[in-house]
Amino acid sequence: AQKVTQAQTEISVVEKEDVTLDCVYETRDTTYYLFWYKQPPSGELVFLIRRNSFDEQNEISGRYSWNFQKSTSSFNFTITASQVVDSAVYFCALSGRGNEKLTFGTGTRLTIIP
Amino acid sequence: NAGVMQNPRHLVRRRGQEARLRCSPMKGHSHVYWYRQLPEEGLKFMVYLQKENIIDESGMPKERFSAEFPKEGPSILRIQQVVRGDSAAYFCASSPPDRITDTQYFGPGTRLTVL
Repeated sequence: AQKVTQAQTEISVVEKEDVTLDCVYETRDTTYYLFWYKQPPSGELVFLIRRNSFDEQNEISGRYSWNFQKSTSSFNFTITASQVVDSAVYFCALSGRGNEKLTFGTGTRLTIIP
Repeated sequence: NAGVMQNPRHLVRRRGQEARLRCSPMKGHSHVYWYRQLPEEGLKFMVYLQKENIIDESGMPKERFSAEFPKEGPSILRIQQVVRGDSAAYFCASSPPDRITDTQYFGPGTRLTVL
């Protein structure tokens, strides 16, 4: 069985601070994929990143960065110099070999205080 | 390239009525997934379909819920005799047939309210 744990239910930071959202996963698959999605107040789900289990390189995209560590089964997401527009619920998700169902964490509600 | 389309965006039904939710995948995508998000919760997988086939329905409630993805037209999630506990946001996602690119792209969701 697959499981994704996002232990941080809610986080509030002041604008321009850095913030890290934690994600810990469990799976028996040797090949798997990890995702982050953003759900802003408008409610849609926005894809942020996909990472496969063979690629442990950290990734940076603008103010966003992701740290994937197989040794600790974690896939953490950092936002640097946070902005009010970053306020949203962020979901970490896991899938098997591909084109299979996503298992979502319960999400972290991030509030950026102006 | 249009994204995943879902309609209606909001649906209100009284207990005992039927709800039909529609999903048109992105152009070129042949895999459709339905997820349900209860208030203040994460998304839960319901069903995975390809054209004319149900591949995985392990997350579907055993009664009242059904899904289809016909050869022509959108995917339909059908809920018969709705109850208050069916009130949720229902999201559809699609992905391309190429297994190398497995990202699921989501539609805007349908918010179902059962009175």
